[in-house]
Amino acid sequence: KQEVTQIPAALSVPEGENLVLNCSFTDSAIYNLQWFRQDPGKGLTSLLLIQSSQREQTSGRLNASLDKSSGRSTLYIAASQPGDSATYLCAVMRARQLTFGSGTQLTVLP
Amino acid sequence: DAGITQSPRHKVTETGTPVTLRCHQTENHRYMYWYRQDPGHGLRLIHYSYGVKDTDKGEVSDGYSVSRSKTEDFLLTLESATSSQTSVYFCAISESSSGGQTYEQYFGPGTRLTVT
Repeated sequence: KQEVTQIPAALSVPEGENLVLNCSFTDSAIYNLQWFRQDPGKGLTSLLLIQSSQREQTSGRLNASLDKSSGRSTLYIAASQPGDSATYLCAVMRARQLTFGSGTQLTVLP
Repeated sequence: DAGITQSPRHKVTETGTPVTLRCHQTENHRYMYWYRQDPGHGLRLIHYSYGVKDTDKGEVSDGYSVSRSKTEDFLLTLESATSSQTSVYFCAISESSSGGQTYEQYFGPGTRLTVT
């Protein structure tokens, strides 16, 4: 059974800092990996999708990497802003199903 | 934003009552999913559909049934609601490749269900 772990569970940083969120998974036979953002009381917003054949994807201040062989992905956020405060979830796709990590709750302090 | 709506957005019901949640999409995507989100358990897949009348079970399907009679609608039914089914329910959609694998998933706003 696929297991997805996100460390740390919570992170608090001052505004302007660059930060890295980590995601690890136990079964490397994945089709893709997706990073989401969730604001309190809201649904999930897709941030980045990395196909299994790709090493990284970038969108604005966000950069996600994937090392399938080691079962790891990172989400890099540059020049963090208070508006980045949210819970960040990673999820891996295999056999038509997404398995989610429990998320990292990020707080960016003004 | 992907065109996904869920109804109702909030519902309170009593134990033993049947409940149906609706997910509606305007994107004509082939795949539709139902998840539940609970503190300490994260998001877990209940059921999914890969076409009209084609459905399959997810990780936590016991006590739930689904139906998809049209591309745009995916219904989740709790035949006899229990307190353990109190949760936030999310619908998601995605398109698929010719090989049957799925692309990026897009989520609806969620339905908060309380079973008393």
